[in-house]
Amino acid sequence: DAMVIQNPRYQVTQFGKPVTLSCSQTLNHNVMYWYQQKSSQAPKLLFHYYDKDFNNEADTPDNFQSRRPNTSFCFLDIRSPGLGDAAMYLCATSREAGGDIRYFGAGTRLSVL
Amino acid sequence: AQSVTQPDIHITVSEGASLELRCNYSYGATPYLFWYVQSPGQGLQLLLKYFSGDTLVQGIKGFEAEFKRSQSSFNLRKPSVHWSDAAEYFCAVGAHNTNAGKSTFGDGTTLTVKP
Repeated sequence: DAMVIQNPRYQVTQFGKPVTLSCSQTLNHNVMYWYQQKSSQAPKLLFHYYDKDFNNEADTPDNFQSRRPNTSFCFLDIRSPGLGDAAMYLCATSREAGGDIRYFGAGTRLSVL
Repeated sequence: AQSVTQPDIHITVSEGASLELRCNYSYGATPYLFWYVQSPGQGLQLLLKYFSGDTLVQGIKGFEAEFKRSQSSFNLRKPSVHWSDAAEYFCAVGAHNTNAGKSTFGDGTTLTVKP
């Protein structure tokens, strides 16, 4: 059974049109992460939540926001998508931060037209 | 700062041949080390991890890795590769400090398996 679920699997949006990606988990983990992965590159951490505590990476553009209304759900909001934001977006969870094992969802492939 | 280097961008092996994927890390103390596999269009799946203890760790799908502190390496091995092993492989290093917030991933190695 899938433990980290991302919806939708594929998302097409228009240049500048806000879009929200969804992630849910059944593991009851403290930490939820959002990564951006472009073709043939390593996942790049955008931000993470430790419980309700939001931690933004220094180089994450302001265009990217996140919400975690409860333990199970986390959302990635892209306020004004540009062509450069087309990528795979991966959600992951871990029980603790730092060196703990990450459990990844299958990802959402975002296309920007 | 921690970092991970995967020297091989792309490796091709024949089905049934042995495999070794290289990973070198930089970290100030004993790290947590991971290997993840990613099939096309999918998320990452943990193959194995090293936290402490025995330096040879066994993972899923017949993979193993050996932590060598003197060489700052954590190479992934498999004695006989199957066609289904074709994927992208990522090595990652994490901090013991649970406030650190992140693991660092290498840039990945793409494995192609020839029939």
